[in-house]
Amino acid sequence: GQQLNQSPQSMFIQEGEDVSMNCTSSSIFNTWLWYKQDPGEGPVLLIALYKAGELTSNGRLTAQFGITRKDSFLNISASIPSDVGIYFCAGPSYNTDKLIFGTGTRLQVFP
Amino acid sequence: DAGITQSPRHKVTETGTPVTLRCHQTENHRYMYWYRQDPGHGLRLIHYSYGVKDTDKGEVSDGYSVSRSKTEDFLLTLESATSSQTSVYFCAVGGTYYNEQFFGPGTRLTVL
Repeated sequence: GQQLNQSPQSMFIQEGEDVSMNCTSSSIFNTWLWYKQDPGEGPVLLIALYKAGELTSNGRLTAQFGITRKDSFLNISASIPSDVGIYFCAGPSYNTDKLIFGTGTRLQVFP
Repeated sequence: DAGITQSPRHKVTETGTPVTLRCHQTENHRYMYWYRQDPGHGLRLIHYSYGVKDTDKGEVSDGYSVSRSKTEDFLLTLESATSSQTSVYFCAVGGTYYNEQFFGPGTRLTVL
């Protein structure tokens, strides 16, 4: 079945550093979604990507839809303490209304 | 904010008791979903609905049932709760564009 692999699993960085994480799949996706989950809260949609090669920004966040349609990248510039959380990628399961979620990247930011 | 509320937000119950979790949305989304989130497993789909009275199973549906009698409400029922159903439960609604989903705040359920 379709699977999404996220890396790294966790990151420990210093405030002000840039962050990069990625999500890969064995099959093609037509949409890539990036979510952030704060402790004790539900996931919040950060960025949605709809076309291969698309590069989209949301403040300090930038995400790219890989041209092979099998991967996506999320970058966070100049990290701040409130960036702490778990970042999930997700994409629609083939020909269904269901999403497949990656296993998440846990980000810790130290002052 | 997709206008999603979940109730209760926290619940402790005993093995064998029935439990119903409620998801309420205010923006008339057609699709609604129930997930559970556990360490090491990420988000797993329990059941989903594609309209009033139209529901289907997800990947971990055993032990759960759902009902949707109104567009705005999607209920998840554990007929006889077990300790393995201790988890955080999230409701989500489907956006109108490209499979986006928006999540509620979650319900933390503990089955003793």
